[in-house]
Amino acid sequence: GAVVSQHPSWVICKSGTSVKIECRSLDFQATTMFWYRQFPKQSLMLMATSNEGSKATYEQGVEKDKFLINHASLTLSTLTVTSAHPEDSSFYICSASWREEQFFGPGTRLTVL
Amino acid sequence: GDSVTQMEGPVTLSEEAFLTINCTYTATGYPSLFWYVQYPGEGLQLLLKATKADDKGSNKGFEATYRKETTSFHLEKGSVQVSDSAVYFCALTPTGANSKLTFGKGITLSVRP
Repeated sequence: GAVVSQHPSWVICKSGTSVKIECRSLDFQATTMFWYRQFPKQSLMLMATSNEGSKATYEQGVEKDKFLINHASLTLSTLTVTSAHPEDSSFYICSASWREEQFFGPGTRLTVL
Repeated sequence: GDSVTQMEGPVTLSEEAFLTINCTYTATGYPSLFWYVQYPGEGLQLLLKATKADDKGSNKGFEATYRKETTSFHLEKGSVQVSDSAVYFCALTPTGANSKLTFGKGITLSVRP
């Protein structure tokens, strides 16, 4: 139990386009989901906290207009990278809270050309 | 703010060797402490946790003790296996799972047969 999926697992896009990443809790409901960004050989940096039915809370330095987060249901949160640029290339990971634990998705590798 | 410091890696060991991965933290109050493991191609998984001082978390032969006096949560295993090869992250959260996690940089462990 407590499985979190992400889709797609990897994506390549052209500079200026938008990319949507989905995070789903497959067998539980999550009122809170988190989005992280991981650079090579570095730690996970929290980008935002996503709460079902309300606006996401962004960490300092994260552009909310660039990284749009929607938590439309108790099992789905989406991260949209708008007008992507090469510097947005990274590994994006989501997690979902359930029973006092966070469960992580496998991550999405974004490459912007 | 809160922070987690892990020893520099990578670490390469022979099978059945003893493992210690150091982790120290800076936080106000009484955070909960975690070790997460990321196997190749997979998402992060909770390995063990401790929620108060002197607690010992253990799982799969790994152990870590919450030492408030030294603000440490070092991970140990008496005899590593090839299957333990992964990236290990130390992390903390102020309270519960709906609070955001602060991660260390992670350390890559490679175990040789």
